[in-house]
Amino acid sequence: EDKVVQSPLSLVVHEGDTVTLNCSYEVTNFRSLLWYKQEKKAPTFLFMLTSSGIEKKSGRLSSILDKKELFSILNITATQTGDSAIYLCAVEATGNQFYFGTGTSLTVIP
Amino acid sequence: GAGVSQSPSNKVTEKGKDVELRCDPISGHTALYWYRQRLGQGLEFLIYFQGNSAPDKSGLPSDRFSAERTGESVSTLTIQRTQQEDSAVYLCASSLEGITDTQYFGPGTRLTVL
Repeated sequence: EDKVVQSPLSLVVHEGDTVTLNCSYEVTNFRSLLWYKQEKKAPTFLFMLTSSGIEKKSGRLSSILDKKELFSILNITATQTGDSAIYLCAVEATGNQFYFGTGTSLTVIP
Repeated sequence: GAGVSQSPSNKVTEKGKDVELRCDPISGHTALYWYRQRLGQGLEFLIYFQGNSAPDKSGLPSDRFSAERTGESVSTLTIQRTQQEDSAVYLCASSLEGITDTQYFGPGTRLTVL
């Protein structure tokens, strides 16, 4: 059964901390892995990863994919209260099928 | 337990035809969302239901798109007079209460308009 598992389920940190969110997957016909930030109604796209070992960066956020070990991590450095959200990981398989994890809820305390 | 299901998983249609996409949310979830995802792009919000009513239809791209939800359960997204630019994966999600809750996504319906 294809699945995406995220950990931890929830995380509470203080402003300035660095966090690492994990996403592991078992999906046949893998095409890409996507990270989203969900604050309100619609998740906001963060990264799409297709190749192993190539880090993608956007400001304080970065992500990397390991296609051998079947996981990805999302790092957030120098966290701010505005980073508080649910972070979703999704894997796209060929045929445009998507498998979403249930998310990691991040709370950043001032 | 049963997650969000969508049908059909794939739909190929000819330009100008109408299509209907179905979403069965997780039982007991009051909120339901429709999104569109084009190849290589992020999720595009279409519409959100709270119960059977849609307080936010702001994402529907044109009047060819409509959606309804009945019995606080199943929802259908209808696209009339399909165009090639409608080709995308249509994703449905549900959450227990409202828009701040974790959304659980279905596998999507891949729509191809020829």
